Amino acid sequence: DIQMTQSPSTLSASVGDRVTITCRSSQSINSWLAWYQQKPGKAPKVLISKASILETGVASRFSGSGSGTEFTLTISSLQPDDFATYYCQEYKSNSPTFGQGTKVET
Amino acid sequence: QVHLVESGGGVVQPGRSLRLSCAISGFTLRSYAMHWVRQAPGKGLEWVATISHDNSIENYADSMKGRLTISRDNSKNTLYLQMNSLRAEDTAVYFCARDPGIPGTIMYYFEYWGQGTPVTVSS
Repeated sequence: DIQMTQSPSTLSASVGDRVTITCRSSQSINSWLAWYQQKPGKAPKVLISKASILETGVASRFSGSGSGTEFTLTISSLQPDDFATYYCQEYKSNSPTFGQGTKVET
Repeated sequence: QVHLVESGGGVVQPGRSLRLSCAISGFTLRSYAMHWVRQAPGKGLEWVATISHDNSIENYADSMKGRLTISRDNSKNTLYLQMNSLRAEDTAVYFCARDPGIPGTIMYYFEYWGQGTPVTVSS
């Protein structure tokens, strides 16, 4: 199985900050990577697919980049609604795996 | 509007079985691959199972392989997950999710999610 590693596990930030989360895969996944946002007690919401494609309806302050084994999710200016946990997920394989999550807190 | 609603979760003793359901609306179930993803209390997300749009492909996570059957009834717009020989470590919220791929393809990421149904395995 492909292993996904996110860093940091927890990130302290303030409204207006630029936030960057990193995700690394144990082998090349080309650009087959998605990012999700999850709030407590809620289902995850997909933000980005294919490493950098913003899903419909997702705010433009979110962006993704990378290919191969290293990827980043950037929030250009953190908003109050963005405090949540973020997960990366590879979908190169038919047994997709998630990173362990990054909690963005105040 | 796409909508997925899971049901069937609850408290079950170790070794027993449970069948989860996911009722869909707002799209044609037979056109899409579907998935189950779980999340143990306070933990991250774990993919569990996938079924192709035409039922020709089923994939299962190694952690539950041999104890799971994913199925669908397109006439009832419902996806199922039959879980057998449940263990304490299967305690989690189970989400159903829709694949974004067009018929004949499986992308293996999760475009739409239900709200989840909790499963607790405990004596």
